[in-house]
Amino acid sequence: EAQVTQNPRYLITVTGKKLTVTCSQNMNHEYMSWYRQDPGLGLRQIYYSMNVEVTDKGDVPEGYKVSRKEKRNFPLILESPSPNQTSLYFCASASDAWGNTIYFGEGSWLTVV
Amino acid sequence: GNSVTQMEGPVTLSEEAFLTINCTYTATGYPSLFWYVQYPGEGLQLLLKATKADDKGSNKGFEATYRKETTSFHLEKGSVQVSDSAVYFCALRLPAYNQGGKLIFGQGTELSVKP
Repeated sequence: EAQVTQNPRYLITVTGKKLTVTCSQNMNHEYMSWYRQDPGLGLRQIYYSMNVEVTDKGDVPEGYKVSRKEKRNFPLILESPSPNQTSLYFCASASDAWGNTIYFGEGSWLTVV
Repeated sequence: GNSVTQMEGPVTLSEEAFLTINCTYTATGYPSLFWYVQYPGEGLQLLLKATKADDKGSNKGFEATYRKETTSFHLEKGSVQVSDSAVYFCALRLPAYNQGGKLIFGQGTELSVKP
């Protein structure tokens, strides 16, 4: 089954404790990205990657890092999480960056206390 | 700039009522247009899409037509069910040379269908 898988789905962590949200897709997609969803602010892109070793900032990259060492994986790293990073995070992928459908994972609920 | 505006919710309908959720967009070039649905506690699922002017996307009884002249992509369903209760997002996708091919979302419209 074609899917985007992200883990963990739910996490409560403390301020400053590094964490990684993993994302993997099995569709051989070139394009991957991360979004966060917040009440009143909607969905905003954090980072995106057009292919292996090619990443770029989205609209709200502060406090986040990403890497794309393999085509299927695109982890989101919070080096020193803060409470304003409490959010619902979505990983997404698409075959390319030219208008094709973007498919989303099921989301990761992250709470930073 | 590029943006998507959709009608505010929440929208409350009775079962079997007709649904319209308005969506208009502003974009340079020729974006692809999408409707995504988010059921309570779940992720975003693609509902339908259209990639060029006058295309009609359809799925599960929902339809939307890409209207370039009115820059709109309104979502319609002839007879809603309780199971359609969810938040619906209109979105456009820019090509790679424009902000890296990201999706730009509307604010979402919450639909509640009562039996």
